[in-house]
Amino acid sequence: QKEVEQDPGPLSVPEGAIVSLNCTYSNSAFQYFMWYRQYSRKGPELLMYTYSSGNKEDGRFTAQVDKSSKYISLFIRDSQPSDSATYLCAMFLDDKIIFGKGTRLHILP
Amino acid sequence: NAGVTQTPKFQVLKTGQSMTLQCAQDMNHEYMSWYRQDPGMGLRLIHYSVGAGITDQGEVPNGYNVSRSTTEDFPLRLLSAAPSQTSVYFCASRGQVNSPLHFGNGTRLTVT
Repeated sequence: QKEVEQDPGPLSVPEGAIVSLNCTYSNSAFQYFMWYRQYSRKGPELLMYTYSSGNKEDGRFTAQVDKSSKYISLFIRDSQPSDSATYLCAMFLDDKIIFGKGTRLHILP
Repeated sequence: NAGVTQTPKFQVLKTGQSMTLQCAQDMNHEYMSWYRQDPGMGLRLIHYSVGAGITDQGEVPNGYNVSRSTTEDFPLRLLSAAPSQTSVYFCASRGQVNSPLHFGNGTRLTVT
């Protein structure tokens, strides 16, 4: 079983919709969860960083962590064409960072 | 604030040639690392360093060398380029333990 699973997509949604991106993980020792956004031909940039279970909100973005289910989510409200990118989840295990393979998101105008 | 700077942005090599990918950060981060990103494979760790003079291997180190003589710089050397090393290479750094990585914008390498 892979340590971090993430659906590669692509996921296409109309502008203005709520987007839900998800990752599951296998090791309950994972902590410090992150979401990165990567535009084409650019490096990943940090969007959200959280430690505990529950929700963390930043503008149109909400990161959700459910440690009991080993499941993390990123919600994007009022999605915009500029949100079209690849989204990678990441998490720490003993100071080692494990990345999901990323989900490609297309927001259709 | 420049963050993590990688040069060159693009490079084409012939099989057997060597080259150095440059990475510099201005955030005084102790930890620096190199990843390669290939379609369907995600980010894979090549080498990393927890401070000047200290380097260690990641998941896919074969064919690559690194050194860390200063806190700011962490070059990646390809000793004898192979077509399998065609990829996008990212350098990343972070501050304290368990803090997020900051990435450069990558070097696109093609080996023919």
